[in-house]
Amino acid sequence: NAGVTQTPKFQVLKTGQSMTLQCAQDMNHEYMSWYRQDPGMGLRLIHYSVGAGITDQGEVPNGYNVSRSTTEDFPLRLLSAAPSQTSVYFCASRETVVSGNTIYFGEGSWLTVV
Amino acid sequence: DAKTTQPTSMDCAEGRAANLPCNHSTISGNEYVYWYRQIHSQGPQYIIHGLKNNETNEMASLIITEDRKSSTLILPHATLRDTAVYYCIVRVPYGGSQGNLIFGKGTKLSVKP
Repeated sequence: NAGVTQTPKFQVLKTGQSMTLQCAQDMNHEYMSWYRQDPGMGLRLIHYSVGAGITDQGEVPNGYNVSRSTTEDFPLRLLSAAPSQTSVYFCASRETVVSGNTIYFGEGSWLTVV
Repeated sequence: DAKTTQPTSMDCAEGRAANLPCNHSTISGNEYVYWYRQIHSQGPQYIIHGLKNNETNEMASLIITEDRKSSTLILPHATLRDTAVYYCIVRVPYGGSQGNLIFGKGTKLSVKP
């Protein structure tokens, strides 16, 4: 049981480049989400999904796209990277209908935009 | 915005109990109190959660006041490996946007030898 897996762990991009951060979970969780964490700050929600084919915006969605074609995968796309998107990105998943459910986080993806 | 207020930092001596307070005066009746911690820059780790009764597991105890407006996370015998940022979060424990975790800045706990 791998839990929540994020790739890549480290990435350097040039301004204007695009890339996709991958997130996969093997727990059959319906809910998945992406957070970013800037230095000295708490995590901020970018996008989330409550099931395959359903996505919605979080607190800081601008500059990011998501899709959810399968239950297992929830990729985060940066269409035109900007230095302000330099951050650590965390993917998370949980069940949606079980009371008191726990949210599981991946180990993070460090992104630098130069 | 986060619905909780926590001290920015706390120190604790190794082997002693660490008591981390959290205020959540606007908590709703169906919201649970969750605690997570983040060691270095790893992904946040779930610790414990509760609704209104005190809870205990192998990692910690959670004490929630009777009016549910505040709570305390207790690490009974802190070790150096417990040095981390601790987040107190209130949320409903089910699906949709209401179930999103909204993080504040947390409490930086430093356990000292």
